[in-house]
Amino acid sequence: QITLKESGPTLVKPTQTLTLTCTVSGFSLSTTGVGVGWIRQPPGKALEWLALIYWDDDKRYSPPLETRVTITKDTTKNQVVLQVTDMDPADTASYFCAHRLSFYGLTGTYFDSWGQGILVSVSS
Amino acid sequence: DIQLTQSPSSVSASVGDRLTIICRASQDISRWLAWYQQRPGKAPKLLVYSASTLQSGVPSRFSGSGSGTEFTLTISSLQPEDFANYYCQQANSPYTFGQGTKVEI
Repeated sequence: QITLKESGPTLVKPTQTLTLTCTVSGFSLSTTGVGVGWIRQPPGKALEWLALIYWDDDKRYSPPLETRVTITKDTTKNQVVLQVTDMDPADTASYFCAHRLSFYGLTGTYFDSWGQGILVSVSS
Repeated sequence: DIQLTQSPSSVSASVGDRLTIICRASQDISRWLAWYQQRPGKAPKLLVYSASTLQSGVPSRFSGSGSGTEFTLTISSLQPEDFANYYCQQANSPYTFGQGTKVEI
């Protein structure tokens, strides 16, 4: 059974750097084809993809946020970390990590298992 | 980047109704599209991937179709638990989501 759980601060100040951790179980971050992504959702608004990291450490970023977002993984700890610099009130959102669906022959990225999400507020 | 536009943005329906949601892409994405359901306060749930493949465990009243730039999600007979928000997502990086469709009573 695949599970993911987000952890980190729920309140940050403007200009600070947000660091969120996604702890996973039920799969290995080093297995071929595996990917974990981060997606956020401002209150009452749509989903927005932020970043994705693959088993081989290849990374993808959302172009509008590429200069502010960093994704890394620690395979030994089963964790994926997201950092967002220069936080602004507009970054207030629920942040989700999600597992990329993977099997032989499948192309494209679809998120088949999600964490419960963590609501991060940005306020002074 | 590829933009996804869903219609309608919201819809009122009744239990037992047949409902179709449309997702239009700003350029050809072949069949690289997914649909998600999100209930209030919950994480999204994958319903359909590769435009028409039903994710394991998803009821057969859900179906997806389309290719290129126009896609549809159909619920053949709405059940009380189907009243939720629905999002499409295109599967090529950078991955983008539609703005969502709220299905309410």
